Amino acid sequence: QQQVKQSPQSLIVQKGGISIINCAYENTAFDYFPWYQQFPGKGPALLIAIRPDVSEKKEGRFTISFNKSAKQFSLHIMDSQPGDSATYFCAASLRGQNFVFGPGTRLSVLP
Amino acid sequence: KAGVTQTPRYLIKTRGQQVTLSCSPISGHRSVSWYQQTPGQGLQFLFEYFSETQRNKGNFPGRFSGRQFSNSRSEMNVSTLELGDSALYLCASSSELSGANVLTFGAGSRLTVL
Repeated sequence: QQQVKQSPQSLIVQKGGISIINCAYENTAFDYFPWYQQFPGKGPALLIAIRPDVSEKKEGRFTISFNKSAKQFSLHIMDSQPGDSATYFCAASLRGQNFVFGPGTRLSVLP
Repeated sequence: KAGVTQTPRYLIKTRGQQVTLSCSPISGHRSVSWYQQTPGQGLQFLFEYFSETQRNKGNFPGRFSGRQFSNSRSEMNVSTLELGDSALYLCASSSELSGANVLTFGAGSRLTVL
């Protein structure tokens, strides 16, 4: 029940295209859903996050869509750029603790 | 503002040895969490410390332990190393003042067990 599932495992997108990564969770008590971006040799860095009382959050080219009833949330990267090539992790937490991460999606944006 | 600092960045050990990894959180952050990152398992939660007390613990064997000092710096120790312990160990700090929802990660300590 603490697991967060993430798909796809890897994703190849052309420059300018839309990248979509999906996550699903089981524990309905989770109250915070962040996405982290990790470049090689670096630690993950917070990209964007959402709370379950909101269905969508947009920051620049990055958008989180949240479906509470389906217990799913997704990251959309519009106008994908080669600099977006990284590994993306979705996560869920309860009261700011007990963060559970998805297994990650390796995104490659071709120039 | 300095970020989360982890030392050492790389280390190689042999089976049966022990290792200690260090983490200096962002100034003012009192919560420090440790994660193990491997290609197949993603980020697995090890434990979290807050004000020198272990607040949460993941499903790892007792060979994995940690502690936090009064200045919020944290160490984790792995005893009797096994080949499967080879991984990137990440430390993250967070501030209760920010709702403790933002984890700031260090660059990690990459451990190779031979």
